[in-house]
Amino acid sequence: QSALTQPASVSGSPGQSITISCTGTSSDVGGYNYVSWYQQHPGKAPKLIIYDVSYRPSGVPDRFSGSKSGNTASLTISGLQADDEADYYCYSYAGSYTFLVFGGGTKLTVL
Amino acid sequence: EVQLVESGGGLVQPGRSLTLSCIASGFTFGDYVIMWVRQAPGKGLEWVGFIRNRAYGGTIEYAASVKGRFTISRDDSNSIAYLQMNSLKTEDTAVYYCTRGVNYDFWSGLHYWGQGTLVSVSS
Repeated sequence: QSALTQPASVSGSPGQSITISCTGTSSDVGGYNYVSWYQQHPGKAPKLIIYDVSYRPSGVPDRFSGSKSGNTASLTISGLQADDEADYYCYSYAGSYTFLVFGGGTKLTVL
Repeated sequence: EVQLVESGGGLVQPGRSLTLSCIASGFTFGDYVIMWVRQAPGKGLEWVGFIRNRAYGGTIEYAASVKGRFTISRDDSNSIAYLQMNSLKTEDTAVYYCTRGVNYDFWSGLHYWGQGTLVSVSS
């Protein structure tokens, strides 16, 4: 199964906002409201930060927000902090044959 | 508190076998789908396979890259999931994570992750 398409890298300065895109197809991102996002610091397990397109698990700051338009989902981080520097992955449910697909990951650098 | 703890990783020669375990606590294990996800060194996340909960018959699905070589099972009475890996290849080298979803299935996303266990396949 093909990975969802994410930019390889994005960067921003402390306090700024950035957006990471995640592009799929009508068979995954566009077909279901089941997009989630993960933050992964080096050497650590991924952490869920957004599920069902735009919902935040308990404990995740509201600086993190998610949205979707058509076949593209987006993660926006506002008020960038140094600790936001990490890899970010998107994930979408893809139906009862493909099941799920991950994005290739985006490295966020906080300048 | 939900916890997932993997074990069983290590160095193994190509063609050999290895079995990973995932011990769960803090929730009713049998009610949830358990998914295995791996990450090769310096690479992204890749789903390996998952085993459905008892409500859905405990059926299992595998990614194409491991189908026919890997077997997932579960012991609901002891809250343990297993990943048996046969005919290992060098490209199976990765950190393997045991995960549980936000809800009973995996559709909404993977909320809980173990710490991961490293499998290195090399001669």
